[in-house]
This record gives sequence, structure tokens and C-alpha cells, in this order.
Amino acid sequence: GAGVSQTPSNKVTEKGKYVELRCDPISGHTALYWYRQSLGQGPEFLIYFQGTGAADDSGLPNDRFFAVRPEGSVSTLKIQRTERGDSAVYLCASSENSGTDTQYFGPGTRLTVL
Amino acid sequence: SQQGEEDPQALSIQEGENATMNCSYKTSINNLQWYRQNSGRGLVHLILIRSNEREKHSGRLRVTLDTSKKSSSLLITASRAADTASYFCATVRGGSEKLVFGKGTKLTVNP
Repeated sequence: GAGVSQTPSNKVTEKGKYVELRCDPISGHTALYWYRQSLGQGPEFLIYFQGTGAADDSGLPNDRFFAVRPEGSVSTLKIQRTERGDSAVYLCASSENSGTDTQYFGPGTRLTVL
Repeated sequence: SQQGEEDPQALSIQEGENATMNCSYKTSINNLQWYRQNSGRGLVHLILIRSNEREKHSGRLRVTLDTSKKSSSLLITASRAADTASYFCATVRGGSEKLVFGKGTKLTVNP
């Protein structure tokens, strides 16, 4: 079946602009995660949704970052007033029920803030 | 912050040889997962091993887990050029849902 999809695959924006990154999880997966990966590093956790609610947003770096999952399927990560340090690959993953299950990752969105 | 530490950071071998990568972590875990990543994009899940398991196999992959030493190893047997990638271990702590990744091992398999 279809895996996790993310759009856009690449996003170039200017400092100070607003961006939205979209994640479409595997159908039927209730758990959805966002991670961020900088060059040469492993992914770092941002936020976890169980259904429509953000169960753990402890990884969001500051209040410029926000994510929603209004219908318990597609999620959008929103970044306000982007900064050059936000440049990274943003990865989305989903799992069937929880973190004790396998997390399946999408191809990522490469965000570049000029 | 990252919990796992992979060792070595980089590994270069010839096709047909075995590749062993190690991972150490700091806190008690629910499970440990190994992933492969090509060209810095999407991660491909390889194996999940739970804290009550000691060894798992999948094709040419063998993963071991030693919870007393807080360490895991990934063995790739009879490596191929297509195995060239970065390999990450990631842990899920008890009571948590998120994966905590190490920095990865960059494996190069030379034809």
C-alpha cells in the first residue's frame, strides 16, 4: 500500500516568511510524528499526535513552530517568521498505534531559508 | 538531545565482507529500531527489537540487544554496493512514544 507522503519535497523561502509542510500518513495509522534532521545529524523529535491531539510537543524549539492534525489523518507543520537556522530536512512518520510500533517515515521536505 | 551513539562514525568495506555497526544508549528502553538512510532523505525501517528480545534476523541483517550493557549491534552479512548508506539506531524509552536517534554510521561498500 501507499507509504507516508510529504509535500513539498523541497521548499526555499526567505527569512521572515511563513511556511507550511504537509504530511499524509499511512491510511489507518493513528500515531503521527514530526522530526527535524540537520546535516550530519540524526533526526530529532518535534511533535507526536495520537489521533487529532498533540500528545507530546516537547520537541518544538519555540512558539514559531506549530502543527495540526484536525481530522486525525493529514498533518501540517507550520513555521512562522522563518530563520536561517530552521533550514533542515523535516521528516514525518506514522505508526499503527503508538511509539512501541514500527514508525514508517516519509521522504522528507528539505527546507532552505535564505 | 540524542541518546544513541553509533560506532564507528564511518565504515568502508569491500563488497562481500560483513559490516558491523554498534549503538550505545543511556536510559532504559521499550524497543530499539535500526534505520537506513540514503542521500539524507527518507529513512527505511530495517528491524525493531524489543527490550525483552536478545537477537533478531531479517534476511542478511542480524541485530543483537544487550540491555545490561545498553548496547545493540547491526550486522550486515555479504555486503553489496547497494548497502551503501547511513545507518541509525533509535530508541523508544519506556513511557515515551518518540524515537531518539544517534548520529549514525556512514557505511560505504566498495564494488
